Amino acid sequence: DIVMTQSPDSLAVSLGERAAINCKSSQSVLYSSNNKNYLAWYQQKPGQPPKLLISWASTRESGVPDRFSGSGSGTDFTLTISSLQAEDVAVYYCQQCYTTPYTFGQGTKLEIK
Amino acid sequence: EVQLVESGGDLVQPGGSLRLSCAASGFTFSRYWMHWVRQAPGKGLVWVSRISTDGSSTSYADSVKGRFTISRDNAKNTLYLQMNSLRAEDSAVYYCAFYTATLPQGFDCWGQGTLVTVSS
Repeated sequence: DIVMTQSPDSLAVSLGERAAINCKSSQSVLYSSNNKNYLAWYQQKPGQPPKLLISWASTRESGVPDRFSGSGSGTDFTLTISSLQAEDVAVYYCQQCYTTPYTFGQGTKLEIK
Repeated sequence: EVQLVESGGDLVQPGGSLRLSCAASGFTFSRYWMHWVRQAPGKGLVWVSRISTDGSSTSYADSVKGRFTISRDNAKNTLYLQMNSLRAEDSAVYYCAFYTATLPQGFDCWGQGTLVTVSS
């Protein structure tokens, strides 16, 4: 199984400041035939299902604010929030969809400092 | 509007069985691979199982293999998860989910979940 490891486990950032969450996979999730990284980022707020923010490592889903961005390739990925807003407080997960089981990272809890 | 509604969650004793359902509406259910994902209270997300459009191909997490069975009824637009030999560690909110793209880009559609509690 591909192991997904996020860092840090928790993060406190001031409003308006930048937040960055890292995700490392135990093997590459880059599919060479189409040059796509099968890596997704989710946001989950209490009592809600996860919300897909980023697909293919860097493609923002429709309706997701442009302060959210994804980067990286192969085994190392980053979710960046350029200017933290109060509504961004949540737990963030990465997930590989390269091969089953479609494993998730352990989650990163983002709070306001 | 795309909608997934899970049901069937309950309190069950260890060793017991339960069948979860996920009723789909607002899209052509038979066109999409469907998945189950679970989340224990206060814990992270864990992918559980998936099924192909016609039900001919299934896949499971090692932790549930041999105990859980995923199935679907395309005529009823419903996804199922038969859970046998339940353990305390199976206690979780169970979500059904799918991706609308041709390739697995991440799950852009989720239900609200149904709670399974395994306890004596």
